[in-house]
Amino acid sequence: EPEVTQTPSHQVTQMGQEVILRCVPISNHLYFYWYRQILGQKVEFLVSFYNNEISEKSEIFDDQFSVERPDGSNFTLKIRSTKLEDSAMYFCASSRDDSTKLGSTDTQYFGPGTRLTVL
Amino acid sequence: AQTVTQSQPEMSVQEAETVTLSCTYDTSENNYYLFWYKQPPSRQMILVIRQEAYKQQNATENRFSVNFQKAAKSFSLKISDSQLGDTAMYFCAFGSIQGAQKLVFGQGTRLTINP
Repeated sequence: EPEVTQTPSHQVTQMGQEVILRCVPISNHLYFYWYRQILGQKVEFLVSFYNNEISEKSEIFDDQFSVERPDGSNFTLKIRSTKLEDSAMYFCASSRDDSTKLGSTDTQYFGPGTRLTVL
Repeated sequence: AQTVTQSQPEMSVQEAETVTLSCTYDTSENNYYLFWYKQPPSRQMILVIRQEAYKQQNATENRFSVNFQKAAKSFSLKISDSQLGDTAMYFCAFGSIQGAQKLVFGQGTRLTINP
């Protein structure tokens, strides 16, 4: 069964450093997402991406964050200058939905997550 | 904006018992989707079950079923014949059919199945 994969599983970085979290969504999926989960808290939406552009982003997703689909398979989240409060589990998700089909949606499948620790 | 509330931070039952996890939500939309995701200690998010709001019939998936009450905006998850492997955090999530269809999650319920 196809699944979303994420690398690395754990990333440790120093405050102020740039990090890139990588995701390979399921191959026939069209929508891509990043969520984060601070330890002990609920999962929060960061950004959605469709047709090579951001569809929606939350207030968490400030100028320090960016996303990219550099090729046909990878989907990346970059944090330009990490802060202590960026320490969290970051989940990538993808769904098959075609937004041109009004009223449709599809299930989001999540990757195993990347645990980011900022020291 | 949509909100999702899970009022039970923790629950604990014996193996083979039935357990029901509660979830309420708030939305002004008429059509939407609701999901239950399971997060075991590995912290991966695993889909358990999904419900389309336009369907009156409650979704079922083997030992997992939901009680969807649209008017009350309630979406509970019932786990029958619970197993040790069901031990996990369970998150209820709301999915809009509008816009980018981001998911809005509840705070989670930590479920422990005891032998």
